[in-house]
Amino acid sequence: ETGVTQTPRHLVMGMTNKKSLKCEQHLGHNAMYWYKQSAKKPLELMFVYNFKEQTENNSVPSRFSPECPNSSHLFLHLHTLQPEDSALYLCASSQTSGTQETQYFGPGTRLLVL
Amino acid sequence: GNSVTQMEGPVTLSEEAFLTINCTYTATGYPSLFWYVQYPGEGLQLLLKATKADDKGSNKGFEATYRKETTSFHLEKGSVQVSDSAVYFCALSSNNDYKLSFGAGTTVTVRA
Repeated sequence: ETGVTQTPRHLVMGMTNKKSLKCEQHLGHNAMYWYKQSAKKPLELMFVYNFKEQTENNSVPSRFSPECPNSSHLFLHLHTLQPEDSALYLCASSQTSGTQETQYFGPGTRLLVL
Repeated sequence: GNSVTQMEGPVTLSEEAFLTINCTYTATGYPSLFWYVQYPGEGLQLLLKATKADDKGSNKGFEATYRKETTSFHLEKGSVQVSDSAVYFCALSSNNDYKLSFGAGTTVTVRA
């Protein structure tokens, strides 16, 4: 496989469920990102990991819990979500050798919270 | 801080029409500038980029020139196709921060 992959592509969950989103990058990058894309809203950066360390958390509610076990894998653990959390969740990766490196995105997970 | 402003959509065109999507930015230092495209049901794909003033990025018939004097990076295509229907995002990263700042996105629909 090449690029950035995300699973599952679609997910429907109830507000009491626990689920996880997975992202894997095959590009040898050291930084990984979670974004949320909601209808009619700008793209929102949620979390940033650089060399497995979280370097940014943009005031994301604790019902979203990221995990980065190594530079190639990124998870987003979900629990007790709300209907307004329904969105497309995008993962991206980049090589932060200095600055201004291109981010490469996965296809996203379309999440529906009932 | 960094910010990107792009023209609001939606934009609807006929095939073979000329497309322009305006993008202006505010940033410290010398940012890199990007255009990403999102086709229906997919994630974002890099369309083109430019890393310094007067650079022209190009791909798939699209072009954008980094204009420092007007802080702009407008996207153009001379003859659009139905397959160009997508949402287009302008973005920047500044030289002291590897994160991207995105514009709100412009939805383009091309009719046959």
